[in-house]
Amino acid sequence: GENVEQHPSTLSVQEGDSAVIKCTYSDSASNYFPWYKQELGKGPQLIIDIRSNVGEKKDQRIAVTLNKTAKHFSLHITETQPEDSAVYFCAASNTGNQFYFGTGTSLTVIP
Amino acid sequence: EAGVAQSPRYKIIEKRQSVAFWCNPISGHATLYWYQQILGQGPKLLIQFQNNGVVDDSQLPKDRFSAERLKGVDSTLKIQPAKLEDSAVYLCASRPGSLAPRYFGPGTRLTVL
Repeated sequence: GENVEQHPSTLSVQEGDSAVIKCTYSDSASNYFPWYKQELGKGPQLIIDIRSNVGEKKDQRIAVTLNKTAKHFSLHITETQPEDSAVYFCAASNTGNQFYFGTGTSLTVIP
Repeated sequence: EAGVAQSPRYKIIEKRQSVAFWCNPISGHATLYWYQQILGQGPKLLIQFQNNGVVDDSQLPKDRFSAERLKGVDSTLKIQPAKLEDSAVYLCASRPGSLAPRYFGPGTRLTVL
């Protein structure tokens, strides 16, 4: 089955700086990659996604890049704010049904 | 729009006891998922329903876990008997026509002593 690895496990940045979270996947058939934000005591919230026919996607301060050849994708958050502090998960899917999640990155934005 | 509702939010039981969780998805969402999230890990799919039919239950420990979704709306997940390693947060999610599980409930945190 698919194996998704995520790094780093924890990340601290100063407010206003950028944060980058990286994921790799093993199954070359995976073609859809969502990212989730999970705040304490809440369920994950889908924040952005990318399909394998696209190399980059942006939504305001959030962007995701995908390198199919290297089988890795990354989440970029610019101009970080304290409310960006949360646990972020990447996921990969090749069927649209079974999603394999990474182990999560705990992001802390220091005011 | 109301979100995905789950209850209870917290449950503490002893091993070998039984427990049940309830999920009410967003109205009109045909697809419903149950995930298990162990502390420090990403969510792992237990079962996926499309309306009241099972799409994928390949990772559901069927000797102790069961789930149903009567009438294609609410769903219950049961563990009987519980083991220590079942301690986790159980998340319910639903989706309309989009690709990924988009809307997650707050989860039920289960502690098995």
